[in-house]
Amino acid sequence: ILNVEQSPQSLHVQEGDSTNFTCSFPSSNFYALHWYRWETAKSPEALFVMTLNGDEKKKGRISATLNTKEGYSYLYIKGSQPEDSATYLCAFEPGGGADGLTFGKGTHLIIQP
Amino acid sequence: NAGVTQTPKFQVLKTGQSMTLQCAQDMNHNSMYWYRQDPGMGLRLIYYSASEGTTDKGEVPNGYNVSRLNKREFSLRLESAAPSQTSVYFCASSVTGRGTEAFFGQGTRLTVV
Repeated sequence: ILNVEQSPQSLHVQEGDSTNFTCSFPSSNFYALHWYRWETAKSPEALFVMTLNGDEKKKGRISATLNTKEGYSYLYIKGSQPEDSATYLCAFEPGGGADGLTFGKGTHLIIQP
Repeated sequence: NAGVTQTPKFQVLKTGQSMTLQCAQDMNHNSMYWYRQDPGMGLRLIYYSASEGTTDKGEVPNGYNVSRLNKREFSLRLESAAPSQTSVYFCASSVTGRGTEAFFGQGTRLTVV
């Protein structure tokens, strides 16, 4: 069983502040690292899929970095807004023939007005 | 644009009953997946299908069977439901399953009493 850890488990941030959280994953047999955003009563939606060491992706105020050699990824949110409140999931995709993702437990982000 | 459609949205079963969860996608994706979500756990892969006609076990396959009926549809069957199968089930699909984002259905909340 692959170990994908996310920290912190939950986070309260004031509106307008910037924040970041971490995903750690196995540094061997790596193919891709995914980030998903999961709002309450909805289904997870993809933010980024990163495959190369050193990758940086950006979508609006949200960005992510990837270090495959040490097995971690950071997700950054700049100038948090109430609509950023959600659970953010990372998922490890292994190399080799196996398909499917191994998800972390998520970081639950609450933006306080 | 329906994306990934799951039925039913809610279901209550008695221990020992059987049922099939249906999933269909209209995005011409090759790979399809079934995950379960339990409190305090990440999404866990039950079964996946990398292409029409193939299925493989994921992390937690015991007590489940799947059928990839055609490219669009991937069903999950519980032959004899147990209380431990009380969970929220998500179907997902992706173009190839290799470094491509997953699209999720709205989930099925299943309670086994």
